[in-house]
Amino acid sequence: EAQVTQNPRYLITVTGKKLTVTCSQNMNHEYMSWYRQDPGLGLRQIYYSMNVEVTDKGDVPEGYKVSRKEKRNFPLILESPSPNQTSLYFCASSLQASGGAASTDTQYFGPGTRLTVL
Amino acid sequence: AQSVTQPDIHITVSEGASLELRCNYSYGATPYLFWYVQSPGQGLQLLLKYFSGDTLVQGIKGFEAEFKRSQSSFNLRKPSVHWSDAAEYFCAVPSTGRRALTFGSGTRLQVQP
Repeated sequence: EAQVTQNPRYLITVTGKKLTVTCSQNMNHEYMSWYRQDPGLGLRQIYYSMNVEVTDKGDVPEGYKVSRKEKRNFPLILESPSPNQTSLYFCASSLQASGGAASTDTQYFGPGTRLTVL
Repeated sequence: AQSVTQPDIHITVSEGASLELRCNYSYGATPYLFWYVQSPGQGLQLLLKYFSGDTLVQGIKGFEAEFKRSQSSFNLRKPSVHWSDAAEYFCAVPSTGRRALTFGSGTRLQVQP
């Protein structure tokens, strides 16, 4: 089954304790992205990756890191989490990263990771 | 900069009634427009998308949306709502310069029996 998986689905942690949220897709997609969802703000992009070893900042990258060592995986790293990073996080992927500025590819979303930082 | 506005935060309809969710966009060129649905505890799923051509777009689960350039709108409709349609709905446009989507703030749909 074609899917985007995220782990963990739920996480409660404390300020400053490094954590990683994993994301994996089995569709051989080039493009992957992380979003955070906050009430009243919709989804905002954190980081994205056009292909292996190619990553770039989205709208709200502060406090986050990513890596893309393999095509299928795109982990999100919080080196020193803070309470304002409490949010619902979604990983997404789409087939191709090439092309013009306007994206027409369908993005496939993972089920989400609900993170609470105390 | 491109943006989308969803004026209704929360809508309640009765099962079997018709539905229209509003979306207004601001986009420099011919817009690409998307509607996604987020069911409780789930990720987002694409309902439909508009690129060009027919202004009435059919999607999954019986949804459709109409693109109206004169009104800068892309409203989502369904003639008869089912209880399983209770979810949050997001309108989106592509972000400039990177392969991302700019989402509206969402409309939460509640369906009454």
